[in-house]
Amino acid sequence: NAGVMQNPRHLVRRRGQEARLRCSPMKGHSHVYWYRQLPEEGLKFMVYLQKENIIDESGMPKERFSAEFPKEGPSILRIQQVVRGDSAAYFCASSPHQQGNTEAFFGQGTRLTVV
Amino acid sequence: KNEVEQSPQNLTAQEGEFITINCSYSVGISALHWLQQHPGGGIVSLFMLSSGKKKHGRLIATINIQEKHSSLHITASHPRDSAVYICAAPSGAGSYQLTFGKGTKLSVIP
Repeated sequence: NAGVMQNPRHLVRRRGQEARLRCSPMKGHSHVYWYRQLPEEGLKFMVYLQKENIIDESGMPKERFSAEFPKEGPSILRIQQVVRGDSAAYFCASSPHQQGNTEAFFGQGTRLTVV
Repeated sequence: KNEVEQSPQNLTAQEGEFITINCSYSVGISALHWLQQHPGGGIVSLFMLSSGKKKHGRLIATINIQEKHSSLHITASHPRDSAVYICAAPSGAGSYQLTFGKGTKLSVIP
């Protein structure tokens, strides 16, 4: 049973380009969470999705950021018109139930660098 | 919203030493997570605990729900234990959102 798979591991984008980050949850997990880790800061919640539904996007910037978890395929975190401040590590976690009281399984992360 | 504080921020230890990392939180919760992050690496879940103590190899995690405090201990530390250790707690009672501490960077010197 493969763990949470994220790709790419590293992504370099020029300012103004789009970044697409992918997350395939563990088999049997239907709950996906995205977190952002800025340099020298702790992890911060961005968005919580279940299959085809966004449950909570309160931690995600209102502009330029969007997330989806389609019926088929991985969850995608999309950042449009990237700026230098978007440079960070983005982690995805999945769980069979709502996180909090359930063990969290994290991916390796995608390190986004905006140049 | 839960405030999660970790101490110390940085910790250097000699190989073989006993290590303790502390975590306190402000809102009563039913479970707390300890995570490990190697430099440039992913995040690994070490423990999720709701009461008492859990042990896995040389790692021991304890939690005192009444005092809103948890500790992570490493016995007979080894250079491969060098990593950032992060505690995380639900943002509120019953919440699925996790609030993370800023992490403790541990360096174990041979």
